[in-house]
Amino acid sequence: DSGVTQTPKHLITATGQRVTLRCSPRSGDLSVYWYQQSLDQGLQFLIHYYNGEERAKGNILERFSAQQFPDLHSELNLSSLELGDSALYFCASSVAFSGGYNEQFFGPGTRLTVL
Amino acid sequence: AQSVTQLGSHVSVSEGALVLLRCNYSSSVPPYLFWYVQYPNQGLQLLLKYTSAATLVKGINGFEAEFKKSETSFHLTKPSAHMSDAAEYFCAVESNTGNQFYFGTGTSLTVIP
Repeated sequence: DSGVTQTPKHLITATGQRVTLRCSPRSGDLSVYWYQQSLDQGLQFLIHYYNGEERAKGNILERFSAQQFPDLHSELNLSSLELGDSALYFCASSVAFSGGYNEQFFGPGTRLTVL
Repeated sequence: AQSVTQLGSHVSVSEGALVLLRCNYSSSVPPYLFWYVQYPNQGLQLLLKYTSAATLVKGINGFEAEFKKSETSFHLTKPSAHMSDAAEYFCAVESNTGNQFYFGTGTSLTVIP
């Protein structure tokens, strides 16, 4: 158990819908990273938040957004869902983002299926 | 920008044989490099990391990796494969700012009894 929790574990929805994925980082970790893992794209970095502020954006679609709340949990919002959005979504947390000490702890993931 | 390349999307070894998973990095400055393992239906777990303290890095479960600047490589090895080592392995590099990570495409390790 990494100490990172993600809910829900599974999510099945229809095209055009909107969903929210939730991540609670390890106690004391200020950084949260979101990743999308699919068979054809591999593990893609989406976005990074540190202590409530957005620090970096990766291959995140405009239909996707995220935020980190004062209690440091984070939510990833996916809207106007398409079949191609079906994937595993991971969040990871780390204590900071300084080089070399940025060990990421991954949650178990949320499996999103868009029908 | 940094990147990593994992050579071989699938590797099969016999139980007890040497495991060698290849990773080459592209970075203009000394990078921070990581190896992660993903077991089926689980998240990624850190195996080891290179932070410039030592070129030979020992990790969990008997794995180690050697940083070779001249070859821009950070290959993962284990002297003797166990059945429990069957999993997906990812090499990753941290960006200079520390704000994001770049993962390789992964290598699926199969251990043959």
